[in-house]
Amino acid sequence: AAGVIQSPRHLIKEKRETATLKCYPIPRHDTVYWYQQGPGQDPQFLISFYEKMQSDKGSIPDRFSAQQFSDYHSELNMSSLELGDSALYFCASTQLGTEGYGYTFGSGTRLTVV
Amino acid sequence: KQEVTQIPAALSVPEGENLVLNCSFTDSAIYNLQWFRQDPGKGLTSLLLIQSSQREQTSGRLNASLDKSSGRSTLYIAASQPGDSATYLCAVRAEGTYKYIFGTGTRLKVLA
Repeated sequence: AAGVIQSPRHLIKEKRETATLKCYPIPRHDTVYWYQQGPGQDPQFLISFYEKMQSDKGSIPDRFSAQQFSDYHSELNMSSLELGDSALYFCASTQLGTEGYGYTFGSGTRLTVV
Repeated sequence: KQEVTQIPAALSVPEGENLVLNCSFTDSAIYNLQWFRQDPGKGLTSLLLIQSSQREQTSGRLNASLDKSSGRSTLYIAASQPGDSATYLCAVRAEGTYKYIFGTGTRLKVLA
């Protein structure tokens, strides 16, 4: 079965650079969630989109922005990168309206800021 | 504000033991609860999803229970194996929201 695809798998950037992470949800899933997991920490919710509109916002820095496109894939744009942005970034997708949906996560993008 | 706590933070057991991982949450108004497994540096694999109206869910050697009124869930792993070694995370979805709040995780090591 198709899963949530994230790219790239690994990314190394220097401080103050910009990074773009991509997430391709499971076919027919209309909702995408982004999470950030720092070393030894639990995943923290950043932002979510439903039908290409932002549906919820968590602890996402102003330096970050995200959007969901017409094909439902989503991109997380991160500017002015800081060392503290080094983390695993996960994307999950669901299909709202399906009773009792759960998350399906992608394998994540490991971002290292040097 | 919903807070999710998992006890113990780490657990090391010999192969073959049955074990219980605990998850507690402060706000009982949840829609559902999901248990995940995470291998080091890897993604999150969904294990079990329990709706707020359910008491338990089973999948193979895994059984998850939910006591919504007391804000607790347990993950029972029967006949543990070295391949079960991983971090186990519980996550709750509050009523009226779509996002999940994760617990702090339990790092499990099963010794051969």
